[in-house]
Amino acid sequence: DQQVKQNSPSLSVQEGRISILNCDYTNSMFDYFLWYKKYPAEGPTFLISISSIKDKNEDGRFTVFLNKSAKHLSLHIVPSQPGDSAVYFCAARGGTSYGKLTFGQGTILTVHP
Amino acid sequence: NAGVMQNPRHLVRRRGQEARLRCSPMKGHSHVYWYRQLPEEGLKFMVYLQKENIIDESGMPKERFSAEFPKEGPSILRIQQVVRGDSAAYFCASSAPRGTGGSYNEQFFGPGTRLTVL
Repeated sequence: DQQVKQNSPSLSVQEGRISILNCDYTNSMFDYFLWYKKYPAEGPTFLISISSIKDKNEDGRFTVFLNKSAKHLSLHIVPSQPGDSAVYFCAARGGTSYGKLTFGQGTILTVHP
Repeated sequence: NAGVMQNPRHLVRRRGQEARLRCSPMKGHSHVYWYRQLPEEGLKFMVYLQKENIIDESGMPKERFSAEFPKEGPSILRIQQVVRGDSAAYFCASSAPRGTGGSYNEQFFGPGTRLTVL
């Protein structure tokens, strides 16, 4: 029962262009969403989050969009840089367990110089 | 301002031995979470603890696994009689208490402990 899905295992983008990572969820009780970036052999690093009462949150080059009716969120990175190459996980909080984060499977982003 | 600390970073155990993984949360954080990442998979929630209390252990296997977060000292994830299927990366995260601002919504992760069972 995969409640949070990242359907693209990988994404390749040219430096300077926009990277768009997508995430879908099924549980309408989720009330907070987060994006994490992870390098090999390291822990996930928090990037940006959004509450379910909002539809957009921006922080520098990173913007997260939330479409509640479609149960879909996306992370936009503009402009993309080679250092952004990593695995990106979306996560959702809420439902029957307040503290628990439910993670997607991750998308490998590669930014080419 | 030190982040979440986990030790050891790498742990090798033979089948049947015990594994103890330690986690020290960020300063000022009193909520601790443990997650497990199997190869080629996302992170899976195991347990959520506050000081001296287990809040949610819905992701913990029913046998051999236990967790604690004592009043003093780090949180411990204990795996008894390890099997090869326990080989994974175990991540600890922490968050601030509610009422301390927006940061309580975000969980900050440690570098993980990579457990290998021979």
